[in-house]
Amino acid sequence: DVKVTQSSRYLVKRTGEKVFLECVQDMDHENMFWYRQDPGLGLRLIYFSYDVKMKEKGDIPEGYSVSREKKERFSLILESASTNQTSMYLCASGAASSGNTIYFGEGSWLTVV
Amino acid sequence: GDSVTQMEGPVTLSEEAFLTINCTYTATGYPSLFWYVQYPGEGLQLLLKATKADDKGSNKGFEATYRKETTSFHLEKGSVQVSDSAVYFCALSRQAAGNKLTFGGGTRVLVKP
Repeated sequence: DVKVTQSSRYLVKRTGEKVFLECVQDMDHENMFWYRQDPGLGLRLIYFSYDVKMKEKGDIPEGYSVSREKKERFSLILESASTNQTSMYLCASGAASSGNTIYFGEGSWLTVV
Repeated sequence: GDSVTQMEGPVTLSEEAFLTINCTYTATGYPSLFWYVQYPGEGLQLLLKATKADDKGSNKGFEATYRKETTSFHLEKGSVQVSDSAVYFCALSRQAAGNKLTFGGGTRVLVKP
């Protein structure tokens, strides 16, 4: 089974803090994604990556950055957390080898106070 | 651009009732279509998928058929259980768009005993 692991399930951070959300996948997938999920807004793509050291902006990249130094790991960074970044963050991975199916992690609930 | 429209919820049903969740899409080319399910407090799990016209995806008693003529991918289950209570997301991806998922807004389903 594909495993996408997000390092933290629940985090509480203060406004202005730098926040790292880590994601690791064990299936050698080329593609990795970060989404956020908010009530009434559904799932929105923040950033994605097709390969190591490559990144592309999604629909809502403002206030976020990403890092992909190794194929299996994709990190989402909030440079200076704000209360409007309180959300559920979902990491996902996929590849042509998996029939282009995208697999999701369990999610990270971030509260910024 | 690509878009997915699915019926708004919540949908409330009694156990053993028939469930249909409508999903239509707009996309260029030939997208792959997916249904994901999200149980309370968890990430998204792939429920089923179809990659070409007239394909039927099925899993756990759920079915959906890729209808290119009507650009639809409606989800059905003949007899729901309380454990089917969840949020269901219809989504599409296109290889030409890097296999990013475009989601519908989600439909909450509540099955009562």
